[in-house]
Amino acid sequence: DTGVSQDPRHKITKRGQNVTFRCDPISEHNRLYWYRQTLGQGPEFLTYFQNEAQLEKSRLLSDRFSAERPKGSFSTLEIQRTEQGDSAMYLCASSLGISGGELDTQYFGPGTRLTVL
Amino acid sequence: GQQVMQIPQYQHVQEGEDFTTYCNSSTTLSNIQWYKQRPGGHPVFLIQLVKSGEVKKQKRLTFQFGEAKKNSSLHITATQTTDVGTYCCAEGNTDKLIFGTGTRLQVFP
Repeated sequence: DTGVSQDPRHKITKRGQNVTFRCDPISEHNRLYWYRQTLGQGPEFLTYFQNEAQLEKSRLLSDRFSAERPKGSFSTLEIQRTEQGDSAMYLCASSLGISGGELDTQYFGPGTRLTVL
Repeated sequence: GQQVMQIPQYQHVQEGEDFTTYCNSSTTLSNIQWYKQRPGGHPVFLIQLVKSGEVKKQKRLTFQFGEAKKNSSLHITATQTTDVGTYCCAEGNTDKLIFGTGTRLQVFP
């Protein structure tokens, strides 16, 4: 399967614990995005990378959240001191990084479902 | 919070009936993209509309972008059980997607 992959698919943790999720984008894609989706809502943008550079962060990304893409390939999203309100599906997407007004389609991974008890 | 509103939130139809979901924004949209998310699945890109009044068709699906570029609709003709899922509109805004709230479609055989 050459699509976007995410690991783990499910994570149950206790409040106050730290968790880390991994995303492997499609191999030739330069851009990588993180979104969060809660039940009954559309995905909400968290942050994105162009190669190694983190170019934008949403205000939703509190200081307990950190994302990295050290070699411009896979990315990790860490949540420190998890809270029950962090329970959600965390989606990763990647795209080629086409600019100049052309459509830069984002391809989503299967997501990591986080449950904070 | 999300700036693009979608209605209805839920829709239950009998197989063979038509279905329409609407996206509305208070501001002019630069473009509108539509995604389908199967139950338990991830968003899958369907189409993008850019021009005012644009209409595009994919088999039984018809997508429209309003003349003022503040609203969009997705219409499914003669629904099938395989159409079940959540349909989300999104604006592509400076490299990120701003999603609507989504419409969950249930089709009864």
